[in-house]
Amino acid sequence: NAGVTQTPKFQVLKTGQSMTLQCAQDMNHNSMYWYRQDPGMGLRLIYYSASEGTTDKGEVPNGYNVSRLNKREFSLRLESAAPSQTSVYFCASTRTATNEKLFFGSGTQLSVL
Amino acid sequence: GDSVTQMEGPVTLSEEAFLTINCTYTATGYPSLFWYVQYPGEGLQLLLKATKADDKGSNKGFEATYRKETTSFHLEKGSVQVSDSAVYFCALSDGTGFQKLVFGTGTRLLVSP
Repeated sequence: NAGVTQTPKFQVLKTGQSMTLQCAQDMNHNSMYWYRQDPGMGLRLIYYSASEGTTDKGEVPNGYNVSRLNKREFSLRLESAAPSQTSVYFCASTRTATNEKLFFGSGTQLSVL
Repeated sequence: GDSVTQMEGPVTLSEEAFLTINCTYTATGYPSLFWYVQYPGEGLQLLLKATKADDKGSNKGFEATYRKETTSFHLEKGSVQVSDSAVYFCALSDGTGFQKLVFGTGTRLLVSP
């Protein structure tokens, strides 16, 4: 079972470069999420999509944009990367927005120099 | 706002030792409480949950009891194995929608043979 698949696994960017993190789930889940994980800070929600066609800001949305391309795919874009965006990024999905069991991808480790 | 506080790690134990990882929370309503586990190189996985006071969540030998009077949800296991080495996250949700899931900072557990 693939579950939640994230690409790439590792990425190094220079300040000001742009990139898109890709996420796809094969569980027919309606809701998808992007989190960042920083040392000593736990996981923080960047953006979420409660259902196909909707997106909303989470706790730390500044500097990011998202696209819910279809029910399976939810991408996260950094338009102009900054060193403060160095982090591990996790995509997750749930069956519905009120279903609290998250399924996570294995993460993308991003370094911005 | 709602918050979760976990004990600092790493917690270092020998195989078959008893494990306790402390978690306390602050919430205005009646949250659901969760423990997630992150094995090396993987995303988080739901370990157990409890949705109301005095509920006990359990899975894979791990247990945690929802204590409203002490606002705690401590994780315990009677006999740890090397394979339990991971990072453990306590989290809460106010139950009105997943986007309000709040994670603690995580506690790393290292178990030696």
